[in-house]
Amino acid sequence: NAGVMQNPRHLVRRRGQEARLRCSPMKGHSHVYWYRQLPEEGLKFMVYLQKENIIDESGMPKERFSAEFPKEGPSILRIQQVVRGDSAAYFCASSPGTGEDQPQHFGDGTRLSIL
Amino acid sequence: SQQGEEDPQALSIQEGENATMNCSYKTSINNLQWYRQNSGRGLVHLILIRSNEREKHSGRLRVTLDTSKKSSSLLITASRAADTASYFCATPHYGNTDKLIFGTGTRLQVFP
Repeated sequence: NAGVMQNPRHLVRRRGQEARLRCSPMKGHSHVYWYRQLPEEGLKFMVYLQKENIIDESGMPKERFSAEFPKEGPSILRIQQVVRGDSAAYFCASSPGTGEDQPQHFGDGTRLSIL
Repeated sequence: SQQGEEDPQALSIQEGENATMNCSYKTSINNLQWYRQNSGRGLVHLILIRSNEREKHSGRLRVTLDTSKKSSSLLITASRAADTASYFCATPHYGNTDKLIFGTGTRLQVFP
């Protein structure tokens, strides 16, 4: 029973390029969350999606960042025209539903480095 | 500002000793969760304590919650070198149970 799968584990981009981060939730989970972690800091919420719907994107920068969770396939976090400040670890988490006692299960993250 | 703040920021102990980490939060909560993160890895859920619970145990882990002081503690008893990791508390955003607000974490080092 595979856990949350994220790829790639490491991604290097030059300033101005696009970064695509993928997340396959655990089997049976239809809720996906993306978080960003800077070095020596905790995780910061970015966006919460269900299949084909963005439920809460209050943590997403208004420009250059977008997320989707299509009916088929993984969730994608897309960063256009990357800048040095986008360098961070991006984590995806999934849960089977909402509710007080539904812990989120995390992937091992994608470490994005911007040259 | 962060909903959860852990204390201490870093902790070094010998194997066999107990490790205590504290977390404070600001707003009302439905539950509080503790996660562990090994270096270069994702977060692993350790334990969830509901707002109407005062104490919860799981193996060598003991979590307390004091809603009057808006604080929680995580105690790891008889620590092992494998417990070396960062530990984070997290609370669901008030009014929205879906996104977690994390503290900055306690980095625990257990020496053999």
